[in-house]
Amino acid sequence: EVQLVESGGGLVKPGGSLRLSCAASGISFSDAWMRWVRQAPGKGLEWVGRIKSKNEGGTTDYAAPVKGRFTISREDSKNTLYLQMNSLRTEDTAVYYCAGAGSWLGYWGQGTLVTVSS
Amino acid sequence: DIVMTQSPESLAVSLGEGATINCKSSQSVLNSSNKKTYLAWYQQRPGQPPKLLIYWASTRESGVPDRFSGGGSGTAFTLTISSLQAEDVAVYYCQQYYNTPHTFGQGTKLEIK
Repeated sequence: EVQLVESGGGLVKPGGSLRLSCAASGISFSDAWMRWVRQAPGKGLEWVGRIKSKNEGGTTDYAAPVKGRFTISREDSKNTLYLQMNSLRTEDTAVYYCAGAGSWLGYWGQGTLVTVSS
Repeated sequence: DIVMTQSPESLAVSLGEGATINCKSSQSVLNSSNKKTYLAWYQQRPGQPPKLLIYWASTRESGVPDRFSGGGSGTAFTLTISSLQAEDVAVYYCQQYYNTPHTFGQGTKLEIK
């Protein structure tokens, strides 16, 4: 059974930083293209970014609202995906999901809530 | 960026009746090289993460009931539920994975009439 478990969410002040983690099991994580998707309270889904497998370059892509502030990385030895979020803004308040693993999003975690507020 | 536009924003259907949700992309999501359409549909029940229903525009994910079907091509797509069940109450999203950012539609809320 595939499991994606996010952690690291919480309350942070505007301008602050937070690192989210996503622990994966039941999949060949090193071969997986992984994403972060967020959902602001009461709103729709927003694609945050993607990291390819290391075999395919390990490159990243980001949505415009987070580019330059967020960094996606992976640690295949630990089957873990990360999202480093810097210069956080109130509009970054959302549930953050990790998802993967092929071209479409067949697997999703339960999400972790990030609240940016003073 | 490719803009995905869904209609209607909300829909109320009687149990056992059919429902159709529309999704339009601002540019084609058909890869002419492999003839594949890079469009997926997701269901999000209240308080739950999204669940994949359909990929390649019309391929049903394993375990998804056959009352769900996806159709369309180019820039216009549909998700059809042939006979609504109570557990189908959810918000439905389309997503293109042709170009990054892999944008989602704004969602369609499906309720029981």
